[in-house]
Amino acid sequence: DTGVSQNPRHKITKRGQNVTFRCDPISEHNRLYWYRQTLGQGPEFLTYFQNEAQLEKSRLLSDRFSAERPKGSFSTLEIQRTEQGDSAMYLCASSFGQYNEQFFGPGTRLTVL
Amino acid sequence: QQQVKQSPQSLIVQKGGIPIINCAYENTAFDYFPWYQQFPGKGPALLIAIRPDVSEKKEGRFTISFNKSAKQFSLHIMDSQPGDSATYFCAARTTVSSGSARQLTFGSGTQLTVLP
Repeated sequence: DTGVSQNPRHKITKRGQNVTFRCDPISEHNRLYWYRQTLGQGPEFLTYFQNEAQLEKSRLLSDRFSAERPKGSFSTLEIQRTEQGDSAMYLCASSFGQYNEQFFGPGTRLTVL
Repeated sequence: QQQVKQSPQSLIVQKGGIPIINCAYENTAFDYFPWYQQFPGKGPALLIAIRPDVSEKKEGRFTISFNKSAKQFSLHIMDSQPGDSATYFCAARTTVSSGSARQLTFGSGTQLTVLP
C-alpha cells in the first residue's frame, strides 16, 4: 500500500494521559499536514511540515500539542494532559509538487474519557 | 470565521438522480478548489479539483461548476449510485510563496444518501 498510513487507528485514553500518533506519508511527498476533524465538521488545519521543518501552526494547536517530523519522513503528533475536548479524528495528509494535491490517511480516532 | 460555507447539510436522492452540493467562499485569495469524498471511518479522498481560470471541470460522473464573480462553486454527481452515499466536503486553498502551508480550508460537509 503506497498511501498515507496512520497508527493507531483508534485510541481511548483517560483524561490527563499523554497520547502519541504516528503518520507515514507517501514516500516521495515532502509536505505533511495534520488536521483535526470533529463529528459533523470538516477537517481543520493544525500544523504543516516541509521536509523536517515545522513551518506553520494553527492557533488550534495549544501548548499541550507538539508535532515532529525527524529526517523529513514520518511524523508524530503528541497530546499531553489530554482533555475531553481533544476527542476527535486526527488526520494526516501529504503532498508534493507544484499543485500540492493533498492525500489523506485514514485518521486516528481519539476518545478521551 | 467560516471561510467556506457549504450547503445543504444533508441530501437524499434516488438512484440515477443528480445531487448538487454548493459552496461559497469569502477569501478572494483562494485559487484552488477541491472536493473530497469521505466514507465513515475513513479519511477524505480527493475526488476532483478546479482552478478559477475555468468555469467547469468534468471527471467521470463528477462535475464542478465555478462562478468566480459570485465566489461560488458546486459539485454535480451524474447518474448517482447507492455507492456514492458518503459525506462530501468542498475545500479551498491559497497559492502563495514557496514554504507557506497552503493548507486547505474545508466546508462543513454534506451527507449524501442515494436510495436504490
